Amino acid sequence: GEDVEQSLFLSVREGDSSVINCTYTDSSSTYLYWYKQEPGAGLQLLTYIFSNMDMKQDQRLTVLLNKKDKHLSLRIADTQTGDSAIYFCAERPFSGGYNKLIFGAGTRLAVHP
Amino acid sequence: DAEITQSPRHKITETGRQVTLACHQTWNHNNMFWYRQDLGHGLRLIHYSYGVQDTNKGEVSDGYSVSRSNTEDLPLTLESAASSQTSVYFCASSVSLRKAEGAKNQPQHFGDGTRLSIL
Repeated sequence: GEDVEQSLFLSVREGDSSVINCTYTDSSSTYLYWYKQEPGAGLQLLTYIFSNMDMKQDQRLTVLLNKKDKHLSLRIADTQTGDSAIYFCAERPFSGGYNKLIFGAGTRLAVHP
Repeated sequence: DAEITQSPRHKITETGRQVTLACHQTWNHNNMFWYRQDLGHGLRLIHYSYGVQDTNKGEVSDGYSVSRSNTEDLPLTLESAASSQTSVYFCASSVSLRKAEGAKNQPQHFGDGTRLSIL
């Protein structure tokens, strides 16, 4: 089946690292995505990883993929107040012809001084 | 720049009324999607379309309908609004992929959402 799970809330101190975790179920997914949603706005693509990669780094963002355990994580280094948002993990399985995304419930990241 | 726009951004209506939410994209994407976002549920797929005259039901399609008469627009209609349909609605679009194209990265692009309240 298709299911994506995330913890709902994470609180971190400004300047610390944040790690948001996600588990997915469909091993046929070729791409996994992280989207960011700021208050009152739509979802913006933050980063992504192809399924044959273990890690992808993009400035302050590091994505780790454990395909065996179907576990995806997003690490934000030096977290800032502007990083406060909801972060959605999404998989793109073969069952949707690679045209559909399955989203998790979103993790709300709160950054405090 | 290409974009995807939703209108209205906010709407209040009464139960039993018909409501239509608009979604317009200038990406020339074949795929278009409607989601609703509710606390604790994330994004749930309502309807989607892979091209003109094509429409498909998602996981929460009851009480909703869509039509696709051109590439740019996928309006979402609530035939008889119910309080359970109070939500934030998002439209998205993406390039269409064939099953042999799984190695291509084509993410979905989202509109800014419509907040719908049904009293």
